[in-house]
Amino acid sequence: QVQLVQSGAEVKKPGASVKVSCKASGYTFTGYYMHWVRQAPGQGLEWMGRINPNSGGTNYAQKFQGRVTMTRDTSISTAYMELSRLRSDDTAVYYCARGEDFWSGYYNYWGQGTLVTVSS
Amino acid sequence: EIVLTQSPGTLSLSPGERATLSCRASQSVSSSYLAWYQQKPGQAPRLLIYGASSRATGIPDRFSGSGSGTDFTLTISRLEPEDFAVYYCQQYGSSPFTFGGGTKVEIK
Repeated sequence: QVQLVQSGAEVKKPGASVKVSCKASGYTFTGYYMHWVRQAPGQGLEWMGRINPNSGGTNYAQKFQGRVTMTRDTSISTAYMELSRLRSDDTAVYYCARGEDFWSGYYNYWGQGTLVTVSS
Repeated sequence: EIVLTQSPGTLSLSPGERATLSCRASQSVSSSYLAWYQQKPGQAPRLLIYGASSRATGIPDRFSGSGSGTDFTLTISRLEPEDFAVYYCQQYGSSPFTFGGGTKVEIK
């Protein structure tokens, strides 16, 4: 069965960086885009971008351009999302998510979420 | 960027009643690439509907989606106790993929 297992909660200071991992299992990792979505406390969902695990190609939401880097390690079927120059309003749960097929922009599968808290 | 506006913000209904949730896009959503999700506290979202009207695997038929262009609707025909949650629409027809602000369906 498809599983996306994310790394644990993080506490960071403003200005620092955070790197969240998402380990995939139960399917061919390189066969599906991996997307990242975040949710601030009590707020809605926000799409951050996606990575093609086969090529490493990325698409980022303009809001995060210059601060976000999505990478992958195909040898261990793991995707990463790194966010730099953290601010307090980056406090959120970060999810990785996968679609039904390679190009799907809707998500059948989600990681359990990683809470990132930015606080001085 | 396509902005999705969901209404109402909160819907107060009783079990057994019908729920009608609206999602309006700031511009046409190409090929009806619109999805609906349900989210309960502390959980990841769960896909209900994709392609505006196709139910995801395992979703009960009391959930239905309709619409095209800029106006979309999620209908829950008869609310079950487990349906009280927050619902989000999402468009994936053009990047950046965007979500609506959500509609909370609460018990009256």
